[in-house]
Parts: sequence; structure tokens; C-alpha cells
Amino acid sequence: DAKTTQPPSMDCAEGRAANLPCNHSTISGNEYVYWYRQIHSQGPQYIIHGLKNNETNEMASLIITEDRKSSTLILPHATLRDTAVYYCIAHNYGQNFVFGPGTRLSVLP
Amino acid sequence: SAVISQKPSRDICQRGTSLTIQCQVDSQVTMMFWYRQQPGQSLTLIATANQGSEATYESGFVIDKFPISRPNLTFSTLTVSNMSPEDSSIYLCSVQRGISGANVLTFGAGSRLTVL
Repeated sequence: DAKTTQPPSMDCAEGRAANLPCNHSTISGNEYVYWYRQIHSQGPQYIIHGLKNNETNEMASLIITEDRKSSTLILPHATLRDTAVYYCIAHNYGQNFVFGPGTRLSVLP
Repeated sequence: SAVISQKPSRDICQRGTSLTIQCQVDSQVTMMFWYRQQPGQSLTLIATANQGSEATYESGFVIDKFPISRPNLTFSTLTVSNMSPEDSSIYLCSVQRGISGANVLTFGAGSRLTVL
């Protein structure tokens, strides 16, 4: 899997959009970008994934740059329950998932 | 999506003892994964467990310390043997499922071990 780089921590005001960046400049053409989050004392939870196109689901949006070297996870209206560690992973089918340190997002009231 | 149950959810153990963690999935899966999360750290893959074959261990993890069983397609156990305080961690079981041409991991809630 390609290495990913994320800021160690971010703050976001409740109700505002949270934009979490991820750099994956060495990503290969077959690797998907995945986002997971881990709320305190829980197992990681899948959020979204994408290959080239932007993706949206009920939890978040994923914006991938055209060169695929970086991406942004967007939580459109952050709530206090979105406070968690967010992991960005570049992953190739058949390989094991490698979790980095992630970004600790704090949503502030 | 798969529902994963882990037992125990937490335990406090004495040094030198062993503890077995159980992972039950509500559907049949080919591969099950065991991760460790040390305090304040990210997740590290311990091993991959396939039904009917020996588990595949990642670098730094050995079968004598972390024996794994996979008796059927819905169940696995991880034993942490001869525990020391350094084994205090959250141990997580996970499975893969296919979504939109990619594989996605689903995790159990984890088993929090404290070794005294």
C-alpha cells in the first residue's frame, strides 16, 4: 500500500463542514483511497472509498484530485459525535490494510 | 454488512497467564483478521486467519505468542499467551466484504486487555 500523510489533529466547529486532507503522492493506479474512523472505545468504522471519481454517501464526501496524489474527506455538517480519529488508507486489492496514525478530529460546540 | 461480536469486551489479567479472545461473525467469511491497538497508537495487523489452514502472521508476531484458531467460516479465536504488561492493548477482529469493486473492513468492538 502507498504511504499516506495526514495532519495529526484538527478542530471543527459543530455544524460546519469538516475537511480532512490526505496526501498519497505515491499511490499506484490500482489502489483505492479508503477512509475509516474510530470513535473512542469503539472499533474502526468504514466511511467511504474511491478510485478516481469523487464519491458521496450518507456519511461523507470524498474528493480525489485529478492526479490522485491527494484527497479530502468532507463531513458536511459536523456534529459532536463525529469527534474521532480518521484514517486515510491507500489500498490495493489483495493486500492487507495498513493503518497510519490518522487525524484526530475534535468537533467543538 | 457483517455483524461481529467479540468476547470478552475487556479483562484484567495477571502477568504470565493466557487469555483467549473470541470473534463471532453473523455470516460466513473466508478471511478474518486480528489487529492489535496499543495505548494511544494506531492499529497493527497481527495475522490473517483462513478457515482450514494455518494463520498467516505479520512480521513481529509469532504463533507461539498469539495462537489463532479458525474452526469454521463464522468463528475465530486469538490467544495472547504468557502475558506481560506490554501486551496491554485493544485486540480487534475484522472481516472483509466487497463493495463497489473494492474490499472494505468491518470491525468488532474490540477486546481491551490490561495486564498487571
